[in-house]
Order: sequence, then structure tokens, then C-alpha cells
Amino acid sequence: GAVVSQHPSRVICKSGTSVKIECRSLDFQATTMFWYRQFPKQSLMLMATSNEGSKATYEQGVEKDKFLINHASLTLSTLTVTSAHPEDSSFYICSAYTSSGNTIYFGEGSWLTVV
Amino acid sequence: AQTVTQSQPEMSVQEAETVTLSCTYDTSESDYYLFWYKQPPSRQMILVIRQEAYKQQNATENRFSVNFQKAAKSFSLKISDSQLGDAAMYFCAYKGYGNKLVFGAGTILRVKS
Repeated sequence: GAVVSQHPSRVICKSGTSVKIECRSLDFQATTMFWYRQFPKQSLMLMATSNEGSKATYEQGVEKDKFLINHASLTLSTLTVTSAHPEDSSFYICSAYTSSGNTIYFGEGSWLTVV
Repeated sequence: AQTVTQSQPEMSVQEAETVTLSCTYDTSESDYYLFWYKQPPSRQMILVIRQEAYKQQNATENRFSVNFQKAAKSFSLKISDSQLGDAAMYFCAYKGYGNKLVFGAGTILRVKS
């Protein structure tokens, strides 16, 4: 199946700093990528939809100035958590849509810990 | 808006036995896709099986099969010959025109040896 790579898998940052998470589609072009946040034992919560070459569409309640999303190419989307706080600590996971097979594949996810 | 409901928070199955996970959804769209994803402790989301709504035939992938009842808006997953490696959280998901996945709350599957 298609491969989506997410990096870093784990990151620890200090409160007040920014951290960037990358999501790459390795063997297909993804015009649309999605960013999710997942709390323990809960489902995935969609944060935003990232379209190549245009601004991301954020879900209600998600702070766009805090969670900056950039989709600069057909294979790369980034999520930057700005001025991170301990409550931003969570598991973040990206996915990429491929029109081939009309399927969505997920990255491995990133654990963010803000100390 | 579309919704996906998984009414079983947890399920258990004996190794080598069969288990069925339930999923219902609500939509007014006529063309859509349904998925089952598996999330083991590693948290990697693994695509288990996919069903196109316009296809009447139920999808099958080795030991995994679905019972797709379009009129009833039901999409259950059957796992045959359960293995220890099947233990995970399973999510049912819906994709309509917007390419956005709508997830159910998930079902934790435990496999007993």
C-alpha cells in the first residue's frame, strides 16, 4: 500500500517554543492531507485539512494561529505548534488522500510532550 | 453532517474464533466509501478493509470481511480465525464527497489465548 512518513515520531519541547511535524507521502502525490489529534483511548479528532498550494481549512475550535499548517508541495505537509504549552502534549497523526483507489493512508504519528 | 457510531467500546474473542464489530453510519450522500482501520498499541493506523457504497458485494481481505447493509446504513467487520496480533483498537470510518474521514469512537478488541 501507499506509504506516508511522519517525522519526528517523538519530540519533547520546552513550554513557549515551537515545534514542527512533517508529513510526507513517499510514493504518491497527495493533493489533500489531514492532521488529527488523538487523546488516550479516544478517536481521532480532525484538526485541519491541508490542500496543496492553498490555505488549510481548520475545524471548529482549532486555533489556526497556534497550529500552523503548510502544504508546500504535493508530497509534504507540515504542522507547526507555536508557543507550545503542556496542554498541547498529545499524539498527532497525519493522513494523505490518494485518488488512486480513493483511499486515505496514515503516517506513523508523532508524540509531542511539552515540558 | 455525517456520523459514525460504534456501539461496542470493547470486545473479546478467543484465539481462532470469530468476532464481529458493529458500525452504523448516517448520511444523505449517495456515493461514499467506508473503511475499517486498525490501531495497535504502536498507534499506527492500518487500513484493514474498504467498501465502495455503490458495490453490493461485500469486501473481503483474507480473514477480514464486512457485512455492508446500505439500506440499514450498517457496516460490520468480521474477523475470522482471530489471532493475538489482531488485538487493537478498530475504527470504522466514512468518506464522502469531501474526502474527509469521519471516525467512530472505536472498539477495543482483546484476543484471549
